[in-house]
Amino acid sequence: QQQVKQSPQSLIVQKGGIPIINCAYENTAFDYFPWYQQFPGKGPALLIAIRPDVSEKKEGRFTISFNKSAKQFSLHIMDSQPGDSATYFCAAYSGGSNYKLTFGKGTLLTVNP
Amino acid sequence: DVKVTQSSRYLVKRTGEKVFLECVQDMDHENMFWYRQDPGLGLRLIYFSYDVKMKEKGDIPEGYSVSREKKERFSLILESASTNQTSMYLCASSPLSDTQYFGPGTRLTVL
Repeated sequence: QQQVKQSPQSLIVQKGGIPIINCAYENTAFDYFPWYQQFPGKGPALLIAIRPDVSEKKEGRFTISFNKSAKQFSLHIMDSQPGDSATYFCAAYSGGSNYKLTFGKGTLLTVNP
Repeated sequence: DVKVTQSSRYLVKRTGEKVFLECVQDMDHENMFWYRQDPGLGLRLIYFSYDVKMKEKGDIPEGYSVSREKKERFSLILESASTNQTSMYLCASSPLSDTQYFGPGTRLTVL
């Protein structure tokens, strides 16, 4: 079964810290790796995504680092704020999957003031 | 903006009841999905549909069925609700691409 393994399950940092969430995958057919952010009481929303032809993508304070040979990717949040407290899901997609995403199990991030 | 709406935010049902969860999207997307979200288990795909009247099983279809009679509407049906189906149910839609747009979720409690 295709899997995406996400760690840690939960993470607590102080305001201004740089939380890092890691994901690993097995299926080399995956060619798109999005991160979704979910606030309490809301559905997940696309935050940032990367394709395997680049090693890093940055959007504002959010950065994805991608290591194709290790089949790993990670989300870094620079200068984290209490408003970043949410659950983060990594996911992976392959073009042959009928548009299905394979999700990690999620990381609950708490940023303390 | 893409809008995906779900018929109820909270729902309480009794064991054995038939339960309908409805999802509507307003962006003419071809694909629609139903997930359930449980603590520590993440998002698990129940069913998805890639066209009207077309459906495909996801990872955990047992105990569920779906209906898609119109492009904008995708219904999840629990034929006989059980307590282990107490969960958060999320609907999503996507065009013919890799981005999914989620609704706000329905928190279902089965007593």
